[in-house]
Amino acid sequence: DTGVSQDPRHKITKRGQNVTFRCDPISEHNRLYWYRQTLGQGPEFLTYFQNEAQLEKSRLLSDRFSAERPKGSFSTLEIQRTEQGDSAMYLCASSLAPAGGGETQYFGPGTRLLVL
Amino acid sequence: AQKVTQAQTEISVVEKEDVTLDCVYETRDTTYYLFWYKQPPSGELVFLIRRNSFDEQNEISGRYSWNFQKSTSSFNFTITASQVVDSAVYFCALSEVQNNQGGKLIFGQGTELSVKP
Repeated sequence: DTGVSQDPRHKITKRGQNVTFRCDPISEHNRLYWYRQTLGQGPEFLTYFQNEAQLEKSRLLSDRFSAERPKGSFSTLEIQRTEQGDSAMYLCASSLAPAGGGETQYFGPGTRLLVL
Repeated sequence: AQKVTQAQTEISVVEKEDVTLDCVYETRDTTYYLFWYKQPPSGELVFLIRRNSFDEQNEISGRYSWNFQKSTSSFNFTITASQVVDSAVYFCALSEVQNNQGGKLIFGQGTELSVKP
């Protein structure tokens, strides 16, 4: 059983460019989460999907951020017009969630973004 | 509001010492879950344990043990006879269960554990 995978693992971009990250969850996991982690801090929730529906977005997710999970499998996170403050590790997690939440989330290796 | 506090930013021990990582949480919910994750230098968060708010029984798994005390809102993690491979950042996290919504995790700031040979 393969774990959560993320692509790319590292991304360097110039300020103002758009970037897109991909996350492939564990097969048959119905929930997919995105988090952002800056240096020396714990991960912060960005958004999550139940199957293909995006059910919650954090206030951290500005208008420049968009996420999709078109067929309820892989997900993409796009950042438009990147800013230096977007430099962080972007983590994806998936879970098999019964009703009620509180399920265990399994994390991918992350995508480390550096905006110059 | 929900919050997780890990007051110890860094801990350094010598191999074979026991070490306890503290975690204090805040929540208004009566039903919630607590987690510990390990983040080695490679960066990937590794799940260690999940505990629900109705189960205060302590748990032991090999050299790891967890002490959950609702009275003090704490969920502490002890490593017995630490090893160099235990060196990592450890995160405590909280998940609230409300209205059958998603279980987003609220993380503490993490404790960086360094085990020296």
